[in-house]
Amino acid sequence: ETGVTQSPTHLIKTRGQQVTLRCSSQSGHNTVSWYQQALGQGPQFIFQYYREEENGRGNFPPRFSGLQFPNYSSELNVNALELDDSALYLCASSLSQGEQYFGPGTRLTVT
Amino acid sequence: QQQVKQSPQSLIVQKGGISIINCAYENTAFDYFPWYQQFPGKGPALLIAIRPDVSEKKEGRFTISFNKSAKQFSLHIMDSQPGDSATYFCAASKNGNQFYFGTGTSLTVIP
Repeated sequence: ETGVTQSPTHLIKTRGQQVTLRCSSQSGHNTVSWYQQALGQGPQFIFQYYREEENGRGNFPPRFSGLQFPNYSSELNVNALELDDSALYLCASSLSQGEQYFGPGTRLTVT
Repeated sequence: QQQVKQSPQSLIVQKGGISIINCAYENTAFDYFPWYQQFPGKGPALLIAIRPDVSEKKEGRFTISFNKSAKQFSLHIMDSQPGDSATYFCAASKNGNQFYFGTGTSLTVIP
């Protein structure tokens, strides 16, 4: 059984740029949730995708968008990057709305 | 508004002692309460979880106590070991959709 994987591991971007982060869900899981974790804080829910449809969204602006593909992998896109977007971005997969299993995260630094 | 409040922020325990971390929640519609363990540079790992129809759940050295009327739940780590040193997060969700995390507790177990 393959766990949740994310790419890239680290990323450095400049303010105003756009970034795409990727997540492969655990085998057999059909739901992917994305979280932002600032340093020293708990993860904050961005949105969830279930069977390729958005299934809930947290308090994040529209420049945070996502996709889920037929194989249930997912992308998180962030446009017009701001300094405050610097964080660890976590992807979690689950079977329907069951237990969530997290990937190792992508560390994004915006300069 | 913080949906899940966690305390203490940090905790130092002697090897063999009991570590206790507390959480309180606001929304009575929450029906799933997991605890996650996170090591530096890693994603959160699911440790143990409980649903509100039981008051206690034990898995090895880890126990969740749940008080529905007080809207509180806690994690007890028995016989704490240096390898348990990590950050612990409580969380809550309704129907496994959006997970609300606490702010984390940094546990240090002294040999």
